[in-house]
Amino acid sequence: KAGVTQTPRYLIKTRGQQVTLSCSPISGHRSVSWYQQTPGQGLQFLFEYFSETQRNKGNFPGRFSGRQFSNSRSEMNVSTLELGDSALYLCASSYRDSDTQYFGPGTRLTVL
Amino acid sequence: QKEVEQDPGPLSVPEGAIVSLNCTYSNSAFQYFMWYRQYSRKGPELLMYTYSSGNKEDGRFTAQVDKSSKYISLFIRDSQPSDSATYLCAMSRDTGRRALTFGSGTRLQVQP
Repeated sequence: KAGVTQTPRYLIKTRGQQVTLSCSPISGHRSVSWYQQTPGQGLQFLFEYFSETQRNKGNFPGRFSGRQFSNSRSEMNVSTLELGDSALYLCASSYRDSDTQYFGPGTRLTVL
Repeated sequence: QKEVEQDPGPLSVPEGAIVSLNCTYSNSAFQYFMWYRQYSRKGPELLMYTYSSGNKEDGRFTAQVDKSSKYISLFIRDSQPSDSATYLCAMSRDTGRRALTFGSGTRLQVQP
């Protein structure tokens, strides 16, 4: 079974731009979560979607948003990019609520 | 103060050594405890998870949880160079094991 896939793998943007990252969960998984990983703050939870509904949200500004489609694929969007948004953005999926999350390889975003 | 504290290392040990990795946490609401391993330029992969206080063993890995002290550990026996990676502890409040709170990660280097 294919793992979690994330596209693109690498991205370079400039301050003020917006960006959209995509995540395809493992086939059959309905829960998708997003995390931001930086050297200073480590891995931080952004939000979680289940059946197209956001169920949990971390402590990030409103510039960070996401959505989930009926096929469980998810996108996250960051508007008005700041230098501090440079990070590895990880997506994780799980089959059911109580199941463990499996992570994708991440999208490395660099903001110049 | 962070909810989860983890010594960032790096920790360097000779091949075959027993490795001890630790995390402390401050929030007694955490119910599930996990250890992830992350190789360079990869997403985290789950090693072990546990719910109750006590020990859980899986091959060369043993996870230990002491809820009264808010302290968790991961032991690696007969460490191998392939174990060289960053080890992240993670915790969650809900039964779904989503919205994980991660430690900062400990970088481990096993010398051949």
